[in-house]
Amino acid sequence: QQQVKQSPQSLIVQKGGISIINCAYENTAFDYFPWYQQFPGKGPALLIAIRPDVSEKKEGRFTISFNKSAKQFSLHIMDSQPGDSATYFCAASRLSNAGNMLTFGGGTRLMVKP
Amino acid sequence: GAGVSQSPSNKVTEKGKDVELRCDPISGHTALYWYRQSLGQGLEFLIYFQGNSAPDKSGLPSDRFSAERTGGSVSTLTIQRTQQEDSAVYLCASSGPDRVSPLHFGNGTRLTVT
Repeated sequence: QQQVKQSPQSLIVQKGGISIINCAYENTAFDYFPWYQQFPGKGPALLIAIRPDVSEKKEGRFTISFNKSAKQFSLHIMDSQPGDSATYFCAASRLSNAGNMLTFGGGTRLMVKP
Repeated sequence: GAGVSQSPSNKVTEKGKDVELRCDPISGHTALYWYRQSLGQGLEFLIYFQGNSAPDKSGLPSDRFSAERTGGSVSTLTIQRTQQEDSAVYLCASSGPDRVSPLHFGNGTRLTVT
């Protein structure tokens, strides 16, 4: 059962454009939604995360939009740069005192053309 | 400080052989996770350790896979009688004791079964 669905699988954006990646989840118990960025040959690294008590979180050029009723969240990258070219993973978890086990989406390979 | 360290970075083995993959988490991190990333795919959860609690093995794909964590620190993922479908990048992550502590990933071990 794929609990987190991510789209698109790949995305090409011109430098300066807006990159948008979407995710949908099924488990209403999820209460933590991070995005991870992965460069070739490296492990994923946390980019930005949101809890369901807010509808939007912005950090620099990166913004998460969250729609609890639709069980969807998205990553927006403003003024996209060639250095943003990487694979992006959305994820979700149910936080507990036992830890933070993430369920990941399938990933989006982003290419930003100069 | 030092991040999560995984070894070896690459491993080529023949079908039917056993392999051991090692993970050194960040010092002080109580939780340790193993994920598998197949070519162009998302991250598949394998197993999770939290402190001295029994590990969550719900993601292990078969009884050929096992993992242990010694002294609450170093972890070893063992795959017995490897098959070609085991070829993937095996990622280890650790996280701190806080409920929203992010996962810090190593760079993975790329396993190729010939």
